Amino acid sequence: GAVVSQHPSRVICKSGTSVKIECRSLDFQATTMFWYRQFPKQSLMLMATSNEGSKATYEQGVEKDKFLINHASLTLSTLTVTSAHPEDSSFYICSAPGQGSYGYTFGSGTRLTVV
Amino acid sequence: DQQVKQNSPSLSVQEGRISILNCDYTNSMFDYFLWYKKYPAEGPTFLISISSIKDKNEDGRFTVFLNKSAKHLSLHIVPSQPGDSAVYFCAASAMGGSQGNLIFGKGTKLSVKP
Repeated sequence: GAVVSQHPSRVICKSGTSVKIECRSLDFQATTMFWYRQFPKQSLMLMATSNEGSKATYEQGVEKDKFLINHASLTLSTLTVTSAHPEDSSFYICSAPGQGSYGYTFGSGTRLTVV
Repeated sequence: DQQVKQNSPSLSVQEGRISILNCDYTNSMFDYFLWYKKYPAEGPTFLISISSIKDKNEDGRFTVFLNKSAKHLSLHIVPSQPGDSAVYFCAASAMGGSQGNLIFGKGTKLSVKP
């Protein structure tokens, strides 16, 4: 089945630094990638949608200059959290539209902790 | 305003019994619904989906029921097994499933006791 590989799975960084999260579609081409984050005891909230070859679209309230999204190829989308702050600590996860009846394929998620 | 609601944050069931997880939605434009299972620190894995043209979809031990008039869907797991213990998310899409983004509920943590 379709697989999305997400790295890193965990990262701890210092406040003010930047962190890049990668999502790769391993056996299919993902022209679209959705980026979500999940705070404790909350639902997965869509942050932005990346499209290969064009600018990402951001949900209301999400700072595009802080959360840089790049969809460089049909198999790679990246999310860079710039100038990270402790309040950016969260679980970030990507998802690509699925194949057939399998819905969406999610990456394994990245637990970001900003100290 | 939450468009997809899972009002029970947790559910505990005895092994072998039926687990029923509920989900309500408010947006009548939703036409595709999915259930995902999630273990801690992992991404959600797809379980089962249903299109709004159906009212039931079954896959092994998992059955999803959709009541469009009540804007309600439920996931039945029978018989429940300890390995089913996880957080279950209900999700909805307004663009036929694979085109639009998903709106998630907050999840229900299912615990299946041996």
